[in-house]
Amino acid sequence: NAGVTQTPKFQVLKTGQSMTLQCAQDMNHNSMYWYRQDPGMGLRLIYYSASEGTTDKGEVPNGYNVSRLNKREFSLRLESAAPSQTSVYFCASTLAGVYNEQFFGPGTRLTVL
Amino acid sequence: GQQVMQIPQYQHVQEGEDFTTYCNSSTTLSNIQWYKQRPGGHPVFLIQLVKSGEVKKQKRLTFQFGEAKKNSSLHITATQTTDVGTYFCAGPGASGGSNYKLTFGKGTLLTVNP
Repeated sequence: NAGVTQTPKFQVLKTGQSMTLQCAQDMNHNSMYWYRQDPGMGLRLIYYSASEGTTDKGEVPNGYNVSRLNKREFSLRLESAAPSQTSVYFCASTLAGVYNEQFFGPGTRLTVL
Repeated sequence: GQQVMQIPQYQHVQEGEDFTTYCNSSTTLSNIQWYKQRPGGHPVFLIQLVKSGEVKKQKRLTFQFGEAKKNSSLHITATQTTDVGTYFCAGPGASGGSNYKLTFGKGTLLTVNP
């Protein structure tokens, strides 16, 4: 089992460009999450999907959209990238809810110039 | 909204010294989880505490959940260089999706001088 995979690993964008971060899990988990990590800020939740077919905003959703494509895949889209979105992005999944451990992907390091 | 605060933000120790990080919540938590992130890596789940006053041990790591379920601690005995990383606590989010969202503390970065 690969666990949680993310693509790409690194990306450099210019201000205003768009891109989609891909995430997939092979653990048959119901819930999936997108976090961003900035120095000194910990992990902040952008969006989550409690189950297939649902998505909800987290703590910092502005400037992002998500799609739960199927049970395995959860993508994060930046429509018009801004320098403030320079960050490391982690996807995570869990069987369901807050009583199960979250499994994290390796992360995508995004720089917006 | 619900906040999870961690102290200290940084801790540097000599190998063999003990280390403790503390996590405090503004609200009562149903459970708390701890994660470790190695430099350049991704967070990895360590443990979950659910019961009031619960204490769990993993080798040199001891985790405690406060009696009021509003605070928690992670204590490492006799640190080793392999303990280097950032330790995060996480609790259920504020109302509205609280069954699915975790709020993470900002983490404590531990460095160990060999």
